[in-house]
Parts: sequence; C-alpha cells; structure tokens
Amino acid sequence: EDQVTQSPEALRLQEGESSSLNCSYTVSGLRGLFWYRQDPGKGPEFLFTLYSAGEEKEKERLKATLTKKESFLHITAPKPEDSATYLCAVQAGGNRDDKIIFGKGTRLHILP
Amino acid sequence: DVKVTQSSRYLVKRTGEKVFLECVQDMDHENMFWYRQDPGLGLRLIYFSYDVKMKEKGDIPEGYSVSREKKERFSLILESASTNQTSMYLCASSLSPSGRKGNTIYFGEGSWLTVV
Repeated sequence: EDQVTQSPEALRLQEGESSSLNCSYTVSGLRGLFWYRQDPGKGPEFLFTLYSAGEEKEKERLKATLTKKESFLHITAPKPEDSATYLCAVQAGGNRDDKIIFGKGTRLHILP
Repeated sequence: DVKVTQSSRYLVKRTGEKVFLECVQDMDHENMFWYRQDPGLGLRLIYFSYDVKMKEKGDIPEGYSVSREKKERFSLILESASTNQTSMYLCASSLSPSGRKGNTIYFGEGSWLTVV
C-alpha cells in the first residue's frame, strides 16, 4: 500500500539551530514529491517539487533533497517566522486520477 | 502566480442546511480537488475532477457532492450539513500530468465550516 510518513511529528528549535525534517515514502512509480508549508488557519503553500533521486531544490533557508525512499527538508539557521507545519506529499504513477498521498506533517516551532 | 480562490473563509451553518462551497482557479488547470483537514487526521480527499462535468470520489465522499460546470470552477455541496462535517475545507487545482512527471497541486486559503 502506498504510504507517506513524516517525522518527527513536532520539533522545537532555537533560532539559528539547523535541523532536518524527514519524509519517508513507499509508492510504486514515483511521479513527484512535493513539500508545502502551512501556517495555522491557512491553506498549504507550495515550496518544492522533486522528481527523481538525487535532485535538490533550495529556497532561502530551506533545501529539499530526494532519495529513492525518502526526502529531507533541511532548514539552515531558522528564524521564528519559519515556524509552521511542513507537509510532504507524493504522487504515484500509473493512475489516471492524479491523486496524491499526504503525510500528516511536521509542526516546527522556532524559539527566539 | 497560481491563484485558487475559495469564496468563503468562515461559515456557520445549522444542522440540516444545504451548504455550497465555491472554488475558482485562474490557471486553466484541468484537475480540481476538494479536501478536508482535521487535527490528527491530516488531509483527506473528498472528490476530484479531471475535466468539466467529470467527477471522481475520493476517500471520504459520503455526505458530499460536487459540481463542475466550467473548467475554472469547482463547487462542493453538503446536501444536509451535520455536526461531524465541521472542518476546514481546502480546494486545490493542478495541471494534468505530462509524461512521467506529476504536477504540483496548488491550494486555496481554506474555508472554515462550523455546523451547529
């Protein structure tokens, strides 16, 4: 069964303390892996799309990487405004319906 | 920039009322989706549509219906609202996949529905 698991569920960091969020997946025929940021009470905001193992994308303090089994969202020297829930989603191949599978998210809290 | 607009941010409805949630996207996307998001349960797909007048059930379609009369507009209908439908509802859209690559789903701001 296709599955996406994010860890940890929650993470508290001091401002400037770098860390990584994990997204493990088991799907047949990866078509894309997506990272989103979601602030409380708002819809998910798109961050990155990764298509194949070895691919990396960067945006400000965030860097996403992809292997055949997992993706990492590295956050370097985070600031309090990086506090949010980060969602990972995977689109599997072979289906007409374009559904994607979401993880439950990691709640990140950056302390000033 | 992709824009997915949900017509209502906050609604309060009574049990048994018929509720319409409207969503419009401005990027000519073929695919549109309705999700609900609840604490601890994550995002769950209610319905999606890959073309005008086409619809497919998602994981939790019971108690909901949808309408897609125009490409840019996708409506979610609660025929008779119940308290267990109190939730945040998210509309999303994407292009159809090309080749082996999937396409990013873009979300609206969400609609908070409370059924009393």
